[in-house]
Amino acid sequence: DTGVSQNPRHKITKRGQNVTFRCDPISEHNRLYWYRQTLGQGPEFLTYFQNEAQLEKSRLLSDRFSAERPKGSFSTLEIQRTEQGDSAMYLCASSLRGTGADTQYFGPGTRLTVL
Amino acid sequence: QQQVKQSPQSLIVQKGGISIINCAYENTAFDYFPWYQQFPGKGPALLIAIRPDVSEKKEGRFTISFNKSAKQFSLHIMDSQPGDSATYFCAANTQGGSEKLVFGKGTKLTVNP
Repeated sequence: DTGVSQNPRHKITKRGQNVTFRCDPISEHNRLYWYRQTLGQGPEFLTYFQNEAQLEKSRLLSDRFSAERPKGSFSTLEIQRTEQGDSAMYLCASSLRGTGADTQYFGPGTRLTVL
Repeated sequence: QQQVKQSPQSLIVQKGGISIINCAYENTAFDYFPWYQQFPGKGPALLIAIRPDVSEKKEGRFTISFNKSAKQFSLHIMDSQPGDSATYFCAANTQGGSEKLVFGKGTKLTVNP
């Protein structure tokens, strides 16, 4: 399978702990997006990368959140000092800029539960 | 401010019936309108998408109707099947920039056998 993969699929942590998620995009996709989805809502944009450059961050991305995409391949999303309000599904998507519609392909997500 | 409004929140249809989900947008800069299908525990998967230069696009049993002047678009699922039971999201973005997707809140479709 050559789709977008995310690890771990589930993460349970205690409030105040740090967590890190990983996303592996479709090979050769130069854009990578992070979204957050809470129960009963549509995904909300957090940030995106073109190659290794982080080009936009949402207001939703507080100072406790940091994302990286070293070498323009996989990406990590770290949440420091987790809060119960961080509980959500974190989705990663990738696309190939310049192919017309630039369809975003989503991974299965990482479900975070903060106790 | 919700830029893409989706209705209904939930929809129950009998097998073989037509499912219709509606969306309205506010930002006239949007120029790409995809629909995503999401099953429980999975990420959203692209179903069909349309650009505002056409009023309708059909792929198999799925059709998008687009009304640019009303800033509305809808998804029609013909001959709905139990396997279509999922949550459907409309979305929109502006091509050429970040192309971040703005999603509606979703419609949970249940197709009864």
